[in-house]
Amino acid sequence: DTGVSQNPRHKITKRGQNVTFRCDPISEHNRLYWYRQTLGQGPEFLTYFQNEAQLEKSRLLSDRFSAERPKGSFSTLEIQRTEQGDSAMYLCASSLITTGQGAIVVYEQYFGPGTRLTVT
Amino acid sequence: AQKVTQAQTEISVVEKEDVTLDCVYETRDTTYYLFWYKQPPSGELVFLIRRNSFDEQNEISGRYSWNFQKSTSSFNFTITASQVVDSAVYFCALSEASLLYNQGGKLIFGQGTELSVKP
Repeated sequence: DTGVSQNPRHKITKRGQNVTFRCDPISEHNRLYWYRQTLGQGPEFLTYFQNEAQLEKSRLLSDRFSAERPKGSFSTLEIQRTEQGDSAMYLCASSLITTGQGAIVVYEQYFGPGTRLTVT
Repeated sequence: AQKVTQAQTEISVVEKEDVTLDCVYETRDTTYYLFWYKQPPSGELVFLIRRNSFDEQNEISGRYSWNFQKSTSSFNFTITASQVVDSAVYFCALSEASLLYNQGGKLIFGQGTELSVKP
């Protein structure tokens, strides 16, 4: 098991350009999450998938952001018309989730190394 | 509302000192999970511990120990005999789990505590 991988590790782009990031989760995990982390802050939730279905999006995720997880395997996060405020570390994580009586069983999330985006 | 507060922004200790990192949480849920993660200078978040809301037993793993107290909504982390390699940012996180809220297991992180251990 090679863990969660993300590509690219660094991306520098000019304002207004589109960027796409890729995340490859741990293969047996059914949940995939995207977070954003800015300097000095904790990661903030953006969106998550269970298999190929996107089940929740944060209000942080403007309409310039879109995420996909075709076939329930890898995921992509695209940012259109980037703005300087989009500069951050974008983190992907995967985990197992199972459903019990009235609650979900939440297992630990394993994080990738992140993609650092710089918008100039 | 869901919220995690780590009031200590930075802590500096000398090697071999014990250090406790505080974490206070707020949740509307009766079923939830708490986590600690370590983020070393290399940047990748490393999972340390997971604890569910029904298990208030304290846990020890080597030099690490965790004290979970529901009465004060706290989940504190102690490193005994700190080492330089413990220098990192440590995050406490919360995940609500009741299907009533269907939050999907997302993590709500605190702001983090930067621990610096000097030789």
